[in-house]
Amino acid sequence: AQKVTQAQTEISVVEKEDVTLDCVYETRDTTYYLFWYKQPPSGELVFLIRRNSFDEQNEISGRYSWNFQKSTSSFNFTITASQVVDSAVYFCALSESNFGNEKLTFGTGTRLTIIP
Amino acid sequence: DSGVTQTPKHLITATGQRVTLRCSPRSGDLSVYWYQQSLDQGLQFLIQYYNGEERAKGNILERFSAQQFPDLHSELNLSSLELGDSALYFCASSVPVAGANYNEQFFGPGTRLTVL
Repeated sequence: AQKVTQAQTEISVVEKEDVTLDCVYETRDTTYYLFWYKQPPSGELVFLIRRNSFDEQNEISGRYSWNFQKSTSSFNFTITASQVVDSAVYFCALSESNFGNEKLTFGTGTRLTIIP
Repeated sequence: DSGVTQTPKHLITATGQRVTLRCSPRSGDLSVYWYQQSLDQGLQFLIQYYNGEERAKGNILERFSAQQFPDLHSELNLSSLELGDSALYFCASSVPVAGANYNEQFFGPGTRLTVL
């Protein structure tokens, strides 16, 4: 069975600090997809990134970066120079490669608060 | 805007009642997923329909049911409502990703259900 663990329930940092959100996953599949979603106070789910299990390259998008390490089953997310607008709940999710049924298994989320 | 619409946006009802949540997928998307986000259970997959047929089932209670109509919109029916059914219900529709053996999910804005 799939499982996603986000051990950090809440994190608070002062604006402009860097922050890393941890995600550890479990799956028996050799092919799978990992995701990060942002849920701002308004409630919608905002897609941030998808990474497949064969692509271990780290990715950077502006102030966001992701570190995927299969050896430790982790897919961590770092925000550099955090801003107040980054305050949200962030979810890590996993999907097995079951074409036509890509249901997502979510972690419990990390509530990030950026203090101005 | 993901192109997935959900109605109503908010719903307040009483215990024991029955409600119907509606989801219209993006134009052309054949697959619809339902997810529930509650304080107790977090974000979890409920059920998936593909072109009118049930394709996968998650942690969906027997009091809940869903269907997908010929025009591809979907409805989630919740009956004998309990306080614990209060949650944010998301619908997602999916489309194949070019060059990948994978369907991308696009989430609607959610329906917030409050059971009093």
